[in-house]
Amino acid sequence: NAGVMQNPRHLVRRRGQEARLRCSPMKGHSHVYWYRQLPEEGLKFMVYLQKENIIDESGMPKERFSAEFPKEGPSILRIQQVVRGDSAAYFCASSGTSGVVKNIQYFGAGTRLSVL
Amino acid sequence: AQTVTQSQPEMSVQEAETVTLSCTYDTSESNYYLFWYKQPPSRQMILVIRQEAYKQQNATENRFSVNFQKAAKSFSLKISDSQLGDTAMYFCAFIYYSGNTPLVFGKGTRLSVIA
Repeated sequence: NAGVMQNPRHLVRRRGQEARLRCSPMKGHSHVYWYRQLPEEGLKFMVYLQKENIIDESGMPKERFSAEFPKEGPSILRIQQVVRGDSAAYFCASSGTSGVVKNIQYFGAGTRLSVL
Repeated sequence: AQTVTQSQPEMSVQEAETVTLSCTYDTSESNYYLFWYKQPPSRQMILVIRQEAYKQQNATENRFSVNFQKAAKSFSLKISDSQLGDTAMYFCAFIYYSGNTPLVFGKGTRLSVIA
């Protein structure tokens, strides 16, 4: 039973390029969360999605960042025109729908984005 | 808004000894969950233990246990018989009881287990 899968593990982009980060939730999970971790910091919430819907994007910058979770396929976090300040580790987590599992988020291994 | 504070940026412990990591939080809610996550050098976030606020009994998972003081809004993690593999960042986190909401994390405590 595969856990939360994120790819790529490492992504290098030059300033101005686009970054696409992918996340496949655990089997049976329909809730996906994206978090960003800056060096020596805890994880900060960015966006929460269910299939085909953005539920909460209060932590995501208004410009250049977008997220989707289509009916088929993984969730995508997209960063356009990357800048050096976007360099960070981006984590995806998923949770179930009901019972205790809706409170437990399981994390992927993260994508480390480096902007040159 | 909820906040989670971990006041110990770094700690160290001798192998086989016991160590306690501190966490305090602030919320006006009465029902919620608290978690400790471990992040080893591989960066994977691993759930260590969870506590439901409505339960008075402290959670335990093998060598890991918590001291949950609801009135004081304190949630410390005790690691017994520390092992080298326990070396990691440890994050305390909060979530509303209703679930399917974002986790709020503390800044973490870096734990080093020394042989």
